[in-house]
Amino acid sequence: GAVVSQHPSRVICKSGTSVKIECRSLDFQATTMFWYRQFPKKSLMLMATSNEGSKATYEQGVEKDKFLINHASLTLSTLTVTSAHPEDSSFYICSAKLAGGPNEQYFGPGTRLTVT
Amino acid sequence: DAKTTQPTSMDCAEGRAANLPCNHSTISGNEYVYWYRQIHSQGPQYIIHGLKNNETNEMASLIITEDRKSSTLILPHATLRDTAVYYCIVRALSGTYKYIFGTGTRLKVLA
Repeated sequence: GAVVSQHPSRVICKSGTSVKIECRSLDFQATTMFWYRQFPKKSLMLMATSNEGSKATYEQGVEKDKFLINHASLTLSTLTVTSAHPEDSSFYICSAKLAGGPNEQYFGPGTRLTVT
Repeated sequence: DAKTTQPTSMDCAEGRAANLPCNHSTISGNEYVYWYRQIHSQGPQYIIHGLKNNETNEMASLIITEDRKSSTLILPHATLRDTAVYYCIVRALSGTYKYIFGTGTRLKVLA
């Protein structure tokens, strides 16, 4: 149980285009999902907290207009990187917390974004 | 800022116990200690968590000191597949539920 998926697992896009990454909780409902990014050999950095049906809460320094987050259902959150640039290339990871259950987060497998 | 400090790296012989320490001297009374690990290019995997009592599951044991200022994750019989970065995180049971990751410990299990 408690499986989180991400799609796509890898994506390459050109500068100036937008990319959408999906995060799904497959066997549980998640009122809260989180988005992280990770640079090579570095730790995970929290970008934003996403609550179902409400606006995401972004961490300091994260541009909300550049990283659009939508959490339209209890099993799906999406991260859209708008007008991507090479510096947005990174490993993006989502996690989900069970609604009304134990409080640990379960992580997706990650999406590697490369912007050329 | 992360509320935990961990050694940067550790080696462990295959089959031996791996003991990974974590310092969380500023932990509050309502904060739990969580442990995750991340194998290269994958998402972090939940291992175990605890408040003040020692905990054990099929993956590991968690020993928390009486003053709760530090803890140790124990992998009883390390295998090569346990090679990963191990993260210790403290987080309150209520509130935002967000994790702040520190730098973690890179554990290498040697054959």
